[in-house]
Amino acid sequence: ETGVTQTPRHLVMGMTNKKSLKCEQHLGHNAMYWYKQSAKKPLELMFVYSLEERVENNSVPSRFSPECPNSSHLFLHLHTLQPEDSALYLCASSQDSAGVDREDGYTFGSGTRLTVV
Amino acid sequence: DQQVKQNSPSLSVQEGRISILNCDYTNSMFDYFLWYKKYPAEGPTFLISISSIKDKNEDGRFTVFLNKSAKHLSLHIVPSQPGDSAVYFCAASPYSGAGSYQLTFGKGTKLSVIP
Repeated sequence: ETGVTQTPRHLVMGMTNKKSLKCEQHLGHNAMYWYKQSAKKPLELMFVYSLEERVENNSVPSRFSPECPNSSHLFLHLHTLQPEDSALYLCASSQDSAGVDREDGYTFGSGTRLTVV
Repeated sequence: DQQVKQNSPSLSVQEGRISILNCDYTNSMFDYFLWYKKYPAEGPTFLISISSIKDKNEDGRFTVFLNKSAKHLSLHIVPSQPGDSAVYFCAASPYSGAGSYQLTFGKGTKLSVIP
């Protein structure tokens, strides 16, 4: 497989459930990201990992918990979510961006469509 | 406070004509800009980028123009094709240093190219 793969593609969960989103990249990139896309809103950055260390956490509620066990895998653990957390969750990867030519930008996965009921 | 603004939620263009998608930004630290294209049920795909040392970058039918003084960039598609119908996102970041990992996105413009 090539590119960035996200599973599952669709997820419906109750507010008391615990679930995890998975992202895997096969591009040799060393930075990975979680973005959230809600209806009629811009893509919102949630977490950034570079070389498996978290470098950004944009004030995301603790009910979202990221995990990056290695440079190819990224997880988003979900627990006690609210209906307003229903959105498209996108994973992306890139080369280490600081000061490096980044003409190819980020590579995104197809996303997980999450519905919280 | 939106730092990257795409004020037109949608745009319809006849096939063969030029499509012009606009983007404005407010953060003067931004000096690297990208356009992404997104089809339904797929993630955004990188289209073209420009850094602040340039005012134009061209790739086939796609050209991005940057006006730093106006904090404005635009994406031109010529000629437009039905397969270009998608949502286009503008994104920006500092080129290096603090925050350079973070892309800030606009809300997107849905382009419809009519055959």
